[in-house]
Amino acid sequence: DQQVKQNSPSLSVQEGRISILNCDYTNSMFDYFLWYKKYPAEGPTFLISISSIKDKNEDGRFTVFLNKSAKHLSLHIVPSQPGDSAVYFCAAITWQGAQKLVFGQGTRLTINP
Amino acid sequence: NAGVMQNPRHLVRRRGQEARLRCSPMKGHSHVYWYRQLPEEGLKFMVYLQKENIIDESGMPKERFSAEFPKEGPSILRIQQVVRGDSAAYFCASSPRDIAGQFFGPGTRLTVL
Repeated sequence: DQQVKQNSPSLSVQEGRISILNCDYTNSMFDYFLWYKKYPAEGPTFLISISSIKDKNEDGRFTVFLNKSAKHLSLHIVPSQPGDSAVYFCAAITWQGAQKLVFGQGTRLTINP
Repeated sequence: NAGVMQNPRHLVRRRGQEARLRCSPMKGHSHVYWYRQLPEEGLKFMVYLQKENIIDESGMPKERFSAEFPKEGPSILRIQQVVRGDSAAYFCASSPRDIAGQFFGPGTRLTVL
């Protein structure tokens, strides 16, 4: 049962353009959504998050949008830079019980010069 | 402030041997989580521990896997009688009390021959 889905395994974007990574979820009980970035042979690094009561959160070049009615969120990176090339994971959490993160499968973003 | 430490980074075991993976949380963090990432997949929650307590082990396989977080020392994920299907990257994360952000270690890559 895949509660968090990232349907695009990979994405290629030109440097300087906007990167849009998408994520869908099925569990309406999720309270919080997070994006993690992962380089090879390293652990995931927290990037940005959004509470379920908001629809947008911005931090520098990164903006996360949440559409609760569609159970969809997206991460926008603008402008994209070569250092943004990594695997991006969408994750969700409920506050009930333990804080276990439910991850999507990841999207490999490649920024081309 | 040192990040989450995991050792070893790479572990090779033959089928039937035991694997012990260690995780030292960030200073001041009393919550530890273990996740497993199979090739080309997202991270899957295994277990959530606080000092001397297992809070949620709903993601742990019923047999051969165990975890502990003693009063002193690192958290240990133990896999007995390893099989080839246990080959994966195992990530530990820690968080301080009442904060959603989990900080991940670099992972231990387990290879079972």
